Amino acid sequence: DGGITQSPKYLFRKEGQNVTLSCEQNLNHDAMYWYRQDPGQGLRLIYYSQIVNDFQKGDIAEGYSVSREKKESFPLTVTSAQKNPTAFYLCASTTASYNEQFFGPGTRLTVL
Amino acid sequence: SQQGEEDPQALSIQEGENATMNCSYKTSINNLQWYRQNSGRGLVHLILIRSNEREKHSGRLRVTLDTSKKSSSLLITASRAADTASYFCATYWNNDMRFGAGTRLTVKP
Repeated sequence: DGGITQSPKYLFRKEGQNVTLSCEQNLNHDAMYWYRQDPGQGLRLIYYSQIVNDFQKGDIAEGYSVSREKKESFPLTVTSAQKNPTAFYLCASTTASYNEQFFGPGTRLTVL
Repeated sequence: SQQGEEDPQALSIQEGENATMNCSYKTSINNLQWYRQNSGRGLVHLILIRSNEREKHSGRLRVTLDTSKKSSSLLITASRAADTASYFCATYWNNDMRFGAGTRLTVKP
């Protein structure tokens, strides 16, 4: 089964903690993306990566970090510097940036 | 920042009726895409229309694009309760994809 997976589905974070959200794809896609979605709103781009070992900041990168050591994996770390991290996080991948994006099922992060 | 703006924000119709959602955008585009999101899930790609195309069909979906007005519309014909979801337009330009805030469609059985 080809697809894109995210884990965990739900994540709870205490104040001052860093947490890492997993995103894995077996679609052999080059480009991967992280988006944040707040209730009733669209998607805002956090980070994206076009190739392994390279990534760029999106519109709301502050308080987040990523790595792209393998083509299949693009984990997102939400650091303690992100003051309002409670949101729904979506990972996506695509063969080329102008093509359709394939999305994972999302991770809902809540700060306690 | 978001590029596309969907209209209306919410739409409620009866099963069997047609649903029309609109998207307006501000800059040039290479293509415009429509996605669907069921509550609490990831987005699913529905259809892509290139900037040199005016209309595209896929099953019960019809998308139009008017680049002079910088607008697009998504028509779902003969709607079903299972079409209940949020629908987003996304514009692509110069390696940059932007999503709108979405239209929440409710189809009543």
